[in-house]
Amino acid sequence: AAGVIQSPRHLIKEKRETATLKCYPIPRHDTVYWYQQGPGQDPQFLISFYEKMQSDKGSIPDRFSAQQFSDYHSELNMSSLELGDSALYFCASSFRTNLHSGNTIYFGEGSWLTVV
Amino acid sequence: SQQGEEDPQALSIQEGENATMNCSYKTSINNLQWYRQNSGRGLVHLILIRSNEREKHSGRLRVTLDTSKKSSSLLITASRAADTASYFCATSGATNKLIFGTGTLLAVQP
Repeated sequence: AAGVIQSPRHLIKEKRETATLKCYPIPRHDTVYWYQQGPGQDPQFLISFYEKMQSDKGSIPDRFSAQQFSDYHSELNMSSLELGDSALYFCASSFRTNLHSGNTIYFGEGSWLTVV
Repeated sequence: SQQGEEDPQALSIQEGENATMNCSYKTSINNLQWYRQNSGRGLVHLILIRSNEREKHSGRLRVTLDTSKKSSSLLITASRAADTASYFCATSGATNKLIFGTGTLLAVQP
């Protein structure tokens, strides 16, 4: 079965540079979530989109922005990168945002960002 | 953690033993899910328990939920070396997002 696809898998950037991560959700999933996981940390919710509109916002820095496109893929743009942005960035998708009724969200393998 | 704590933070057991991990959360929830993560890999969904359920089984996994204590436990029976991973609980409540706990690192020695 198709899973959530993230690219690139690994990315090395210098401080103050910009990085873009891409996420392709499971087919027919209309909701995308972004999470950031620092070394030894739990995943932290950044932002989510439903039907191309932002549906929820977490601890996403102002330097970061994201969007969901008409084909439901999503991109996370990170500018003015800092050393502390080094982390594993997960994208996840689900069908509808209806987690209340127990929809499972499925995670990609993540994109490793290293800022040097 | 955005939501709660997991206990213990690390657990080392022998193959064949049972492993129990606990999770506490802070806010009201609609459901609680457990995920597994191998080192540096993605999060794999294990099991979901709704707020009106008290116990759920899936293969070698047993999950309990006590909403009065805002806590859940994950029991893995007859553990295997391949169960070595980090285990996270995650809750969803009024907002449509999962909030993760801090995770338990389980090491199963062959």
